[in-house]
Amino acid sequence: QLVLTQSPSASASLGASVKLTCTLSSGHSNYAVAWHQQQPKKGPRYLMQLNSDGSHSKGDGIPDRFSGSSSGAERYLTISSLQSEDEADYYCHTWGTGFGVFGGGTKLTVL
Amino acid sequence: EVQLVESGGGLVKPGGSLRLSCAASGFTFSSYSMNWVRQAPGKGLEWVSSISRSGSYLYYADSVKGRFTIARDNAKNALYLQMNSLRAEDTAVYYCAKESDILTRPGGPFDYWGQGTLVTVSS
Repeated sequence: QLVLTQSPSASASLGASVKLTCTLSSGHSNYAVAWHQQQPKKGPRYLMQLNSDGSHSKGDGIPDRFSGSSSGAERYLTISSLQSEDEADYYCHTWGTGFGVFGGGTKLTVL
Repeated sequence: EVQLVESGGGLVKPGGSLRLSCAASGFTFSSYSMNWVRQAPGKGLEWVSSISRSGSYLYYADSVKGRFTIARDNAKNALYLQMNSLRAEDTAVYYCAKESDILTRPGGPFDYWGQGTLVTVSS
């Protein structure tokens, strides 16, 4: 069964960097994922698609501070130069023909 | 500018029905598969259903199969979700989401989301 695992919470200081992790379940390490940001009381916003080889393509208007990388079954989202508006929930998402799966989300607190 | 605007949410009793709509603009609607995703209060995102660009291929999460029906009208740039036999656990904000790739069948990342419409199932 395809499952995405995320840590429930993360925190980092204003101006610092943070790396969020999304782990694909066993046997599914070749799947691409997408990262989405959900600020409080808002709909999700697409950040990027991240492939198993680490290549990624960002959504419209996503700042360079957001980047992605991959290692095995892990998919990472790195946010540098943290700003207050980066405080949000971050979800990874993967898909196949006719189905979608989301991770449980990571709540990022900017200190 | 791509815009997705959901409507149709509200309060409904258990066992009742509701039809959600999503009005799309700013892109060639008929070229892309579309999805519904929901979020229960205080919870994460859950994929609900997807429909191919032609409307020929329909897919559902097990939690809604047999109760929900997804549809689209490409002439009106509109996506729909007919929800029947509603249960308390269907209470959520429902989002429509556009897939980023032009594929025959649904199955790709989402690059645009709407703001959502709240469905509350309660007696």
